[in-house]
Amino acid sequence: EAGVAQSPRYKIIEKRQSVAFWCNPISGHATLYWYQQILGQGPKLLIQFQNNGVVDDSQLPKDRFSAERLKGVDSTLKIQPAKLEDSAVYLCASSLVAGQNYGYTFGSGTRLTVV
Amino acid sequence: AQTVTQSQPEMSVQEAETVTLSCTYDTSESDYYLFWYKQPPSRQMILVIRQEAYKQQNATENRFSVNFQKAAKSFSLKISDSQLGDAAMYFCAYRRSPEQGGGADGLTFGKGTHLIIQP
Repeated sequence: EAGVAQSPRYKIIEKRQSVAFWCNPISGHATLYWYQQILGQGPKLLIQFQNNGVVDDSQLPKDRFSAERLKGVDSTLKIQPAKLEDSAVYLCASSLVAGQNYGYTFGSGTRLTVV
Repeated sequence: AQTVTQSQPEMSVQEAETVTLSCTYDTSESDYYLFWYKQPPSRQMILVIRQEAYKQQNATENRFSVNFQKAAKSFSLKISDSQLGDAAMYFCAYRRSPEQGGGADGLTFGKGTHLIIQP
């Protein structure tokens, strides 16, 4: 089965610019997660979708970050405007059903550098 | 809120030897799941092993096994017969029981341990 697809793989932008990341989960996976991984740290959950609804966005900086999953399939994470501290790898993951111990499948992430 | 602590930023082991990576966590919940993930330079998180808190038996996957001490809130990973391909960042992660999270089941990760395999 195809894995979780993310694009772009790398992105360099200047501070105050906007940027968007795209994620296509494994076919049939209802639950989708976005994580932020700052260099030297473990990933931190930003948002969790169940189909096209938000389950948990308690750690999403909503003044500059937004995410959507309009048709319950692929998802976009946006940052506007970007700050230097947003430099990180943004990982997308999906699972078959939230609350079941099927495990997660991660994508390879997008490395964002804000200069 | 749950926290996960990995106190070893880096570990080194000779090829074919055994190494143990440490992880402790803090939670007030009684039902939860624990995971070890491997992250190679490709950045993709790969599941190594998982443990359900309600199971007393320690999980084992081939050369990988865990020592789960629920009362001590400790969850260490033992890698036997270390291979060059085991070199990577290893992350310990916690996931709350879905019944307690209202459907929210995102992972809480530690800071990771960089494992080096010496040939």
